[in-house]
Amino acid sequence: AQSVTQPDIHITVSEGASLELRCNYSYGATPYLFWYVQSPGQGLQLLLKYFSGDTLVQGIKGFEAEFKRSQSSFNLRKPSVHWSDAAEYFCAVGAQSNYQLIWGAGTKLIIKP
Amino acid sequence: EAGVAQSPRYKIIEKRQSVAFWCNPISGHATLYWYQQILGQGPKLLIQFQNNGVVDDSQLPKDRFSAERLKGVDSTLKIQPAKLEDSAVYLCASSLVAGLGDTQYFGPGTRLTVL
Repeated sequence: AQSVTQPDIHITVSEGASLELRCNYSYGATPYLFWYVQSPGQGLQLLLKYFSGDTLVQGIKGFEAEFKRSQSSFNLRKPSVHWSDAAEYFCAVGAQSNYQLIWGAGTKLIIKP
Repeated sequence: EAGVAQSPRYKIIEKRQSVAFWCNPISGHATLYWYQQILGQGPKLLIQFQNNGVVDDSQLPKDRFSAERLKGVDSTLKIQPAKLEDSAVYLCASSLVAGLGDTQYFGPGTRLTVL
């Protein structure tokens, strides 16, 4: 069965520091992978997605993610975080059989001034 | 372009009462999803519509939950009767078509508290 693990429930980063959020998935075939962000009081917004091709994917708001098949990972990175990046981040894998998304439990990002 | 609209934003009810949520997807989007997001968890798909037909409702607790999408546009999700464990945020999302290549756009959600 497909599954997504986000090992970190909370991460605290200083403003201006770099960020990496971890995501590991379990899926038999080539996965479709997504990162979404959920800001307080707002809906989930797609940051980036990977289907095939270049394993380094660029997204909105300066985020990028790298697909590593050997490690079953799709970690999200940003070189320098801003206070406005404080939010909850969700990784998801898409099942090609029914087009549904399987979601991780999320990582809450806290920004220290 | 207007986003996905949901109402109400918050609802507090007592157990065994009924409640209904409304969703208006982005204009022209054929696919509509209802998710349940319990605190500390990722969203869980409850039901997926393609136009006004149900594509998947395998995770919808049909003894108490129902959903409809009349005329393939707006949708309502109802819970009757509510249980304590139904406390969650109910998210509506829409996409142009069904498929992983198409982005799902989410509404702000309805936070339900069952006392």
